[in-house]
Amino acid sequence: AQKITQTQPGMFVQEKEAVTLDCTYDTSDPSYGLFWYKQPSSGEMIFLIYQGSYDQQNATEGRYSLNFQKARKSANLVISASQLGDSAMYFCAMRPFYSGAGSYQLTFGKGTKLSVIP
Amino acid sequence: NAGVMQNPRHLVRRRGQEARLRCSPMKGHSHVYWYRQLPEEGLKFMVYLQKENIIDESGMPKERFSAEFPKEGPSILRIQQVVRGDSAAYFCASSPQASNTEAFFGQGTRLTVV
Repeated sequence: AQKITQTQPGMFVQEKEAVTLDCTYDTSDPSYGLFWYKQPSSGEMIFLIYQGSYDQQNATEGRYSLNFQKARKSANLVISASQLGDSAMYFCAMRPFYSGAGSYQLTFGKGTKLSVIP
Repeated sequence: NAGVMQNPRHLVRRRGQEARLRCSPMKGHSHVYWYRQLPEEGLKFMVYLQKENIIDESGMPKERFSAEFPKEGPSILRIQQVVRGDSAAYFCASSPQASNTEAFFGQGTRLTVV
């Protein structure tokens, strides 16, 4: 079974500053993927970034980067140069890589609400 | 991702009525996943379907809930005899295969049971 923990229910960041959203995970699977999604107040789920457990380098997508520390089982999301439009809920998720039942299920954390202050 | 279409966006049902939620996957995607998001929670997996097949329904409540993905037309999540506890956001995602990378989510259907 997989478990995702996001310990920050809410975060504030000043516009143009960088912010780190924490995510730790627990799994016994040797191979897995980690995902971050953004959910604005309008409700849709927007995929942001993906990291495979065997990827040598940390993933980056524009202003988003994933600080992946496999030994610590953490996959923190870093948003650089925050913008007002970044205010939203952010969810960390993971899925195992193996064939068989459950291998395609994403397990989500409870989310972190980010508020960007002008 | 705008390519996965869910409708309706909002649905209000009285207790005991039926709710039917529809999901049209992205073009070329034959794998559909349904998730439920209760208030203040992350998404929870419900069911995984391919065309005309339910692959995994381990996250579906045993009663009143059913899902289908016919050969033609959208995937349907059906909730019979709704109760207040069914009030949630229901998200559909699709992928071209049982992919290791992201599945694209629709905008969700917000079900309110009154």
